[in-house]
Parts: sequence; C-alpha cells; structure tokens
Amino acid sequence: AQSVTQPDIHITVSEGASLELRCNYSYGATPYLFWYVQSPGQGLQLLLKYFSGDTLVQGIKGFEAEFKRCQSSFNLRKPSVHWSDAAEYFCAVGAGGGGNKLTFGTGTQLKVEL
Amino acid sequence: ETGVTQTPRHLVMGMTNKKSLKCEQHLGHNAMYWYKQSAKKPLELMFVYNFKEQTENNSVPSRFSPECPNSSHLFLHLHTLQPEDSALYLCASSQGLAGEKVFGPGTRLTVL
Repeated sequence: AQSVTQPDIHITVSEGASLELRCNYSYGATPYLFWYVQSPGQGLQLLLKYFSGDTLVQGIKGFEAEFKRCQSSFNLRKPSVHWSDAAEYFCAVGAGGGGNKLTFGTGTQLKVEL
Repeated sequence: ETGVTQTPRHLVMGMTNKKSLKCEQHLGHNAMYWYKQSAKKPLELMFVYNFKEQTENNSVPSRFSPECPNSSHLFLHLHTLQPEDSALYLCASSQGLAGEKVFGPGTRLTVL
C-alpha cells in the first residue's frame, strides 16, 4: 500500500531564510508525487508535481522539489521564504498523471517569523 | 464564479439533524470527489464520481450519502452524524480520474 510521511508537524523559519520541508513516500511502482499548500480557510492548491524526467521540478510561488528515488524522498524547497508562505503543506503520492487515488501526508504547518 | 465552490462554508448541526453540503465546479470537469480533513490526520478520500457515476466509496458510513445529479454538482447529505464527524469537508474536481485535482475551499462541519 502506498503511504506518505511528513516527519515535521511544525516548522518555523524567519522571513528571507531558506526552507526545506521533508516528504518520504512508499509506493510499489513509479510514483506520481505532488505538493499542495493550504492557507487558512482555503482549499488545497497544487504547488508542483513530479511524473518523470528531470528530478528537480519547479512550481508556483518560487517553490521547487527534488525527487530522490534512492531515498524515497520528495522534499520541497524555497530559497527565500516570504511571510505570505505561512500555511500548511501537504505531500501526496498517487497513480496517474493527476494523481488518481491520492494518498496524502499529515501535513507540515509552516510559520514565518518577521 | 470560477473554480470549485462549496456551500455552506461553515455548518453546525446536532446529531439528529439532516443537512446537505453542496459543491459546484465551473471548470467543465467530469470527475468530482469528496474528501474529509480531520485534525492531525491525512486527507481521506470518501467518494469519487466520474460522469455522474459513483466509482469509489471508501467504506464511508451510511450516515453520509452523496449525490451527483450532473457533472457540475455534487452533494453530501448528512444525517444522524456523530461528534467525531466534525471536520473540514473538501470537494475537488478533475478532468478524468487521472486529471489534476482542483479543490474547493471546504465546509467546516461541527457536530454537537
């Protein structure tokens, strides 16, 4: 069965600092991997996704993620965090291009200190 | 209206009440989904509809009853709920089951 682990429940960073959110997955075949962001009172917004090809994928809002098969990881990064990035971030793994049968992690709550 | 809309945004109900959640997508998608988001737990897929036909029911209790009258509208009918059903209920849609999912803002449900 597929699963996703986000080991950090809460992360606090200073504005302007770099950010890395961890995601480890378990999946029997080639994974389709996703990062979503959820701002308070909002639904989930897709940040980026990986299907195949270049293992470093670029997303919206200056985010990127790197797929590392040997580590079963898909960590999310941003070189310089803005206060508006404060939100909850979810990693997900699924089948199919858009993520049929998505399995989500429990999320990482990001706090940005000014 | 654009994207996926959900009404109401907040709902408080007693255990004996009957209420319904509504989702509407304005994207021309043909697949729609209900998810449950509880605190400290991963997002749980509840139901999947593809071209108005239910294709998945993830062992959801019968006190939750979905309805999909057309590809643009999805309802979740609620009756005799339990306090542990309190959660954020998210609707999503996609073009085909493998298409990218677009989520609505959710309905925050509190069961007293």
